Amino acid sequence: GQNIDQPTEMTATEGAIVQINCTYQTSGFNGLFWYQQHAGEAPTFLSYNVLDGLEEKGRFSSFLSRSKGYSYLLLKELQMKDSASYLCAVMDSNYQLIWGAGTKLIIKP
Amino acid sequence: DAMVIQNPRYQVTQFGKPVTLSCSQTLNHNVMYWYQQKSSQAPKLLFHYYDKDFNNEADTPDNFQSRRPNTSFCFLDIRSPGLGDAAMYLCATSREEGKGSDTQYFGPGTRLTVL
Repeated sequence: GQNIDQPTEMTATEGAIVQINCTYQTSGFNGLFWYQQHAGEAPTFLSYNVLDGLEEKGRFSSFLSRSKGYSYLLLKELQMKDSASYLCAVMDSNYQLIWGAGTKLIIKP
Repeated sequence: DAMVIQNPRYQVTQFGKPVTLSCSQTLNHNVMYWYQQKSSQAPKLLFHYYDKDFNNEADTPDNFQSRRPNTSFCFLDIRSPGLGDAAMYLCATSREEGKGSDTQYFGPGTRLTVL
């Protein structure tokens, strides 16, 4: 079966750095997406990785290792508004998006 | 601004009473998706349209139907809502399907309550 694993919940302090991990087992791979979802709202696109390595976009970076079936989202200089769920999704060989259940990130002052 | 719009944002219906949720997009994307998301769970794809071609997920109950009368609009019909159908319903669009880089853009969602 296809599977995406992420921690259920993480806590971090305002101004700090946090890394949210995602491991996946899918039938084929056509890229990995990270989305941010605030409570009661729709997911918004953060990043897309298809090649190994680190993609940096402002305070957010995303890393991919295809051989390990592993990705992480790195958030720097955390702000209170970063409190949200972060969803990892992998596009499989049929170009279907397989979603993780999301990691709820709690930011404390 | 180009966007995905869903109406209503909140919908309350009674057990067994049909309900229709709507989605429109100004992105001119070919693909439209309907997802169901329950609290703290991953979005679950119900079906999607590539242009007028309808693609139903194998485990989507017959109780859920969809219509796409034109490029801009897509509807989700729940024929006889049960208590288990209470969820957030998310509409998303992408320019194409079958391309790894094609990002899905989501509307704000409709939260459905079944009494």
